[in-house]
Amino acid sequence: EAGVAQSPRYKIIEKRQSVAFWCNPISGHATLYWYQQILGQGPKLLIQFQNNGVVDDSQLPKDRFSAERLKGVDSTLKIQPAKLEDSAVYLCASSLDWTSRRDTQYFGPGTRLTVL
Amino acid sequence: QKEVEQDPGPLSVPEGAIVSLNCTYSNSAFQYFMWYRQYSRKGPELLMYTYSSGNKEDGRFTAQVDKSSKYISLFIRDSQPSDSATYLCAMSPRRRNQAGTALIFGKGTTLSVSS
Repeated sequence: EAGVAQSPRYKIIEKRQSVAFWCNPISGHATLYWYQQILGQGPKLLIQFQNNGVVDDSQLPKDRFSAERLKGVDSTLKIQPAKLEDSAVYLCASSLDWTSRRDTQYFGPGTRLTVL
Repeated sequence: QKEVEQDPGPLSVPEGAIVSLNCTYSNSAFQYFMWYRQYSRKGPELLMYTYSSGNKEDGRFTAQVDKSSKYISLFIRDSQPSDSATYLCAMSPRRRNQAGTALIFGKGTTLSVSS
């Protein structure tokens, strides 16, 4: 079974530039998550999708971050404009169905973003 | 006080040692407790999943949850160099069909097992 795919793996940009990350979840997984992991911290949820609808985006800085999952499969996360404090690893995860009691999240390798 | 506290280490042990990793939490609503392992430059992978209080064993790994003390532990027996990684605890009050109950992660403990 193929895992969660993410691209690019690394990205370096200057502050105020824009950047986009792509995620392809495990086939058949209805739930998709984007996390931000700052160096030395645990992952923090940014947004959660169920198919193409948003379940939770309470911690997404909506003035600069946006995400979509238009066809309920792939997803993109965008930052516009980037700030220095956005330097982090952006992890995508997917699961079969978050409403299931024993639902398990599978993580991709992440995109490491450096903002200069 | 943060919702989940985890000592970041680093923790260094010789091969074959028993390792104890711990997290404390403040939210009494947490019911689902997990341990993830994260190798350098990789995404986290689920190691153990426990619902409510009690123990769970899987091979060399044992997870314990003490809800009365708001304390969870992961024990690794006969540690191997391949266990060298960062271990993240995570927890959630998640119930079915209830939005806004995301996983809350600890900072992670970095473990190094020397041969």
